[in-house]
Amino acid sequence: DADVTQTPRNRITKTGKRIMLECSQTKGHDRMYWYRQDPGLGLRLIYYSFDVKDINKGEISDGYSVSRQAQAKFSLSLESAIPNQTALYFCATSEVGQGPHEQFFGPGTRLTVL
Amino acid sequence: GQQVMQIPQYQHVQEGEDFTTYCNSSTTLSNIQWYKQRPGGHPVFLIQLVKSGEVKKQKRLTFQFGEAKKNSSLHITATQTTDVGTYFCAGYSGGSNYKLTFGKGTLLTVNP
Repeated sequence: DADVTQTPRNRITKTGKRIMLECSQTKGHDRMYWYRQDPGLGLRLIYYSFDVKDINKGEISDGYSVSRQAQAKFSLSLESAIPNQTALYFCATSEVGQGPHEQFFGPGTRLTVL
Repeated sequence: GQQVMQIPQYQHVQEGEDFTTYCNSSTTLSNIQWYKQRPGGHPVFLIQLVKSGEVKKQKRLTFQFGEAKKNSSLHITATQTTDVGTYFCAGYSGGSNYKLTFGKGTLLTVNP
């Protein structure tokens, strides 16, 4: 079974719609992250959370919000989707400890906003 | 803010040739990680380098961290078709946020 799961895997939506992407993990990690990947642009951090009560903005948080419902669940919402939010979205987790640790990525959600 | 630049953006090689991707940071890094993403897949951690001048090997892959801790490289010897994918470096420049800044990646294709 996958340690980091994301739902849905693919989603097509229309401009202005609200959409939620969900991430669950069974690794027992406290740290969770949401990244966006665009062709040729690498991975850009949207939000990250070090525990249920700790939410932090990444480099491209505008237009997005997150919710850390439990240690194992971290959701990303687009309140009003726009076409330039079309991208591949990855959730990732890592252990707590001094310094950054290896990040474990989910399979990704491919989002298309028409 | 911190920038991590990675070159080349694309590299096409014949199977058996060597391959190198380079990563350069605008700031001194505390450590650097490397990830591989197969086509249609998700990034998978390869290694983390921490010490100045560090060199680590994983079979045909050799990772180096520069003396000034501002650059790093990944070298693959005698590429195979299984090496196809995008290789990313990700730098951490310190601080309690432990955020990684990813390079844009190098897409490696291998002609059999």
